Amino acid sequence: DVKVTQSSRYLVKRTGEKVFLECVQDMDHENMFWYRQDPGLGLRLIYFSYDVKMKEKGDIPEGYSVSREKKERFSLILESASTNQTSMYLCASNSIANYGYTFGSGTRLTVV
Amino acid sequence: LAKTTQPISMDSYEGQEVNITCSHNNIATNDYITWYQQFPSQGPRFIIQGYKTKVTNEVASLFIPADRKSSTLSLPRVSLSDTAVYYCLVGASERGSARQLTFGSGTQLTVLP
Repeated sequence: DVKVTQSSRYLVKRTGEKVFLECVQDMDHENMFWYRQDPGLGLRLIYFSYDVKMKEKGDIPEGYSVSREKKERFSLILESASTNQTSMYLCASNSIANYGYTFGSGTRLTVV
Repeated sequence: LAKTTQPISMDSYEGQEVNITCSHNNIATNDYITWYQQFPSQGPRFIIQGYKTKVTNEVASLFIPADRKSSTLSLPRVSLSDTAVYYCLVGASERGSARQLTFGSGTQLTVLP
């Protein structure tokens, strides 16, 4: 069964900390995505990557960066966490061979 | 990306067929229609995708009229475990395109005993 794994389900960080959210997929997918989901705002795309070392900004990239050093791993980095980055973060992947996106279970990040 | 409009919520009873309709008046020629299901504290799960007419899989059916300005997700004989938020997305997401999908607000389906 295809799988997207996010390293943490719940995370609590302090304002100003550097935060790393890790995502790994075992399907050899070319494309990987980071979304955040907030009540009333739905899912919003932060960044995506279509190849190793390649990245594209989504709708809300400010305050975030990403890293894709290996095909299976896509990291989201909050350079200096702020309280307005408290959210559910979802990683997804897909490939040129299938139609659907596969999502991870999400990381609920709280910045205090 | 085409904007979609869905009902905010729907209630149904166990064993009934549920139809959720999505409007997408400005759908483009290359756009596909995709539906996802999301349970609380989980990521969305792909249900079905189609381009025109009817598509059926083991979980649901998708009906798309000739003008493609709307689509209907049909869930046969729902159970309590089908209670979830259902999202309709329209975009060029065929064959794993890297182009982003835009999620709307979704439809909260509540199945009652």
